[in-house]
Amino acid sequence: KAGVTQTPRYLIKTRGQQVTLSCSPISGHRSVSWYQQTPGQGLQFLFEYFSETQRNKGNFPGRFSGRQFSNSRSEMNVSTLELGDSALYLCASSLGGQIISYNEQFFGPGTRLTVL
Amino acid sequence: DAKTTQPNSMESNEEEPVHLPCNHSTISGTDYIHWYRQLPSQGPEYVIHGLTSNVNNRMASLAIAEDRKSSTLILHRATLRDAAVYYCILRDGGTYKYIFGTGTRLKVLA
Repeated sequence: KAGVTQTPRYLIKTRGQQVTLSCSPISGHRSVSWYQQTPGQGLQFLFEYFSETQRNKGNFPGRFSGRQFSNSRSEMNVSTLELGDSALYLCASSLGGQIISYNEQFFGPGTRLTVL
Repeated sequence: DAKTTQPNSMESNEEEPVHLPCNHSTISGTDYIHWYRQLPSQGPEYVIHGLTSNVNNRMASLAIAEDRKSSTLILHRATLRDAAVYYCILRDGGTYKYIFGTGTRLKVLA
């Protein structure tokens, strides 16, 4: 069974640009969550999508947005990039649903975003 | 959101047991306690989770205090491959939201 894949793995952008990151979950998983990881702040939850609907949202500005497609693939977008957006962006998928044991998250390798 | 507190770092000798503590004094009744670990240059991976009772799996054991305000992840025999950052996380049973703490960096000495 293929794991969670994220593309691209590395990205360099300049301030003011926008970026779109992609995540393909494990087959059959309906929930996709996004996290930002930085040395200073650690792992911070961005948002979670379940069956194409945003189910949870972390404390990030509106420049950070996401969506989920009918095949459960997800994208996150960051507009008007700032230097502080440089981070590892991790995507995690899970079966989702009401049963808590179905919510074990499987993480992808991440996309390393550098903003110059 | 409830928070977790963990020591920044711990050391263990290879093949000895390791007890990784976590405090979560503001835990609510519907919060599940999850542990994930992150090996160098990888995304986090699931270790174990529990609600009220102690739990065992092939990777580790989770001991939960009776008042649920703290828990301990137990690695029975540490190996060099267990060197990682271990995160104790509360997952809200209602919203399914994960709140990661700062984690404990475990160093395993040969």
